[in-house]
Amino acid sequence: DIQMTQSPSTLSASVGDRVTITCRASQAISWWLAWYQQKPGQAPKLLIYKVSTLESGVPSRFSGSGSGTEFTLTISSLQPDDFATYYCQQYESYSPWTFGQGTKVEIK
Amino acid sequence: VQLVESGGGLVQPGGSLRLSCAASGFTFSDYEMNWVRQAPGKGLEWISYISSGGSTIFYSDSVKGRFAIFRDNAKNSLYLQMDSLRAEDTAIYYCARDEGHYDNSGYWPAPFDYWGQGTLVTVSS
Repeated sequence: DIQMTQSPSTLSASVGDRVTITCRASQAISWWLAWYQQKPGQAPKLLIYKVSTLESGVPSRFSGSGSGTEFTLTISSLQPDDFATYYCQQYESYSPWTFGQGTKVEIK
Repeated sequence: VQLVESGGGLVQPGGSLRLSCAASGFTFSDYEMNWVRQAPGKGLEWISYISSGGSTIFYSDSVKGRFAIFRDNAKNSLYLQMDSLRAEDTAIYYCARDEGHYDNSGYWPAPFDYWGQGTLVTVSS
């Protein structure tokens, strides 16, 4: 199985900050990497797929990059609506798909 | 697109439960479907996949042999039959759609683009 490790687990930031979350895979996963946002009491929402493709309707302050085993999610200017937990997911391997453990973005 | 889960509830260890996911707003039979769960205060765990026609199925090791995924394309519905339930199966269960598909180049995987709101399963005596 491909293991996904996110860092940090928790991130404290202020509105307007540039925020970067890292996701490392236990083996190379080509470009089949997605990012999700989850707010309390809600289902996850797809933000980015194929490493850097923004899902329709997602603000352009979100961006993704990386290759091989190391990937990042960047929020260029943190907004109040962005305080949430973020998960990376690899969908390279047919089974099982795996998620990172999550990064909670908190208000500083 | 709408996915609505139902069937969750309180069940004793060793018991069974069947979850349903009603799909609308898209051609259900064209899409692969998944179940993903989230234990209280924990992260996301993929547990099962079924291809659009139902012929290919995968399970995570944590539920293999105890859970069964199936679908009824005529009823636009996805199901998860859960047997031999354990305390560690306590979680919110989400159904999620993906657009993975085959073409002349092979299989193209896809992320989970739509999710239901989830149904809570509590396994406790």
